[in-house]
Amino acid sequence: GQNIDQPTEMTATEGAIVQINCTYQTSGFNGLFWYQQHAGEAPTFLSYNVLDGLEEKGRFSSFLSRSKGYSYLLLKELQMKDSASYLCAVKDSNYQLIWGAGTKLIIKP
Amino acid sequence: DTAVSQTPKYLVTQMGNDKSIKCEQNLGHDTMYWYKQDSKKFLKIMFSYNNKELIINETVPNRFSPKSPDKAHLNLHINSLELGDSAVYFCASSLTENTEAFFGQGTRLTVV
Repeated sequence: GQNIDQPTEMTATEGAIVQINCTYQTSGFNGLFWYQQHAGEAPTFLSYNVLDGLEEKGRFSSFLSRSKGYSYLLLKELQMKDSASYLCAVKDSNYQLIWGAGTKLIIKP
Repeated sequence: DTAVSQTPKYLVTQMGNDKSIKCEQNLGHDTMYWYKQDSKKFLKIMFSYNNKELIINETVPNRFSPKSPDKAHLNLHINSLELGDSAVYFCASSLTENTEAFFGQGTRLTVV
């Protein structure tokens, strides 16, 4: 079966750094996406990795290791508005997105 | 301008009814999707559709049917609604199968 695992919930302090991990087992791989979803809102795109390595985009970075089936999303200089769920999703061999359940990130002052 | 818009935002209806949710994208994208997000927050693909191909998740009951009058629209029609259909339904679109998806604001469906 296809599976995406990520922690259910994480807590971090405003101004700090947090790393959200994602491991996956899918039938084929055509890229990994990270999305942010605030409560009651739609998911919004954060990053895309298809090759191994680190992609940096402002305060957010995403890392991929295809051999390990592993990715992480790194959030720096945390702000209160970063409180949201972070969804990891993988495109399988049929280009279908397989989604994790999301990690709820709680930012404390 | 709203890139992906879906209506209604909220829908409360009785079991057994038939309902439709509309979705339109003004991004010129080739591919559109319907997702269901249940109470556990899992996003599950229901359909993906481009001009050439409809891909149906085999776990989706045939009471659900996508209807695409043109490339910019993909509506979701649901027959004989059941209590378990209560969820948030998201429409999305992407330029191609490989690119990121843009989501509509979601439709919270409650079946009573």
